[in-house]
Amino acid sequence: GAVVSQHPSRVICKSGTSVKIECRSLDFQATTMFWYRQFPKKSLMLMATSNEGSKATYEQGVEKDKFLINHASLTLSTLTVTSAHPEDSSFYICSARDQLQETQYFGPGTRLLVL
Amino acid sequence: DQQVKQNSPSLSVQEGRISILNCDYTNSMFDYFLWYKKYPAEGPTFLISISSIKDKNEDGRFTVFLNKSAKHLSLHIVPSQPGDSAVYFCAASSQGGSEKLVFGKGMKLTVNP
Repeated sequence: GAVVSQHPSRVICKSGTSVKIECRSLDFQATTMFWYRQFPKKSLMLMATSNEGSKATYEQGVEKDKFLINHASLTLSTLTVTSAHPEDSSFYICSARDQLQETQYFGPGTRLLVL
Repeated sequence: DQQVKQNSPSLSVQEGRISILNCDYTNSMFDYFLWYKKYPAEGPTFLISISSIKDKNEDGRFTVFLNKSAKHLSLHIVPSQPGDSAVYFCAASSQGGSEKLVFGKGMKLTVNP
């Protein structure tokens, strides 16, 4: 199946710093990528939809100035958590939609811990 | 408002038996449905999907059934294996899958040896 990678897999940072997470589709082109956050014992919550070459579309309640998304190419999207706080600690997962199959493939996730 | 519901939080079955995971949805605009499997601290893995023009799709040990009138779908795993133990998410989309996915809360499946 299609492969999506995320980097880093785990990051620990101090409160107030910014963290960048990369999401790459390795063997297919993805005009659309999605960023999710998983809360403990809850489902995946969509944060934003990222379209290559255009601004991301954020879900209600997600601060676009705090969670910066860039989708510069058909294989790369980045999520930057700016001025991170402990409450931002979570598991962030990206997915990329295969243009041809209309199926989303997920990355392995990034565990963020803000101290 | 939960548009995709997985009402049972967990299921335990014996190895070799059938596992049936259920999912209900409320939005009649949904026309594409997917099942994902997720291990702790990993991203979801795509298992199988079904379009609303079908009522059944089969892939190896996995079969998804769709009952549009009841707005219900189910995932059957036969035979169940211990490696199938994971959390399973049902997801739905509209416009043939081109819209964003809406996930259920997930269901933990445990397959006992």
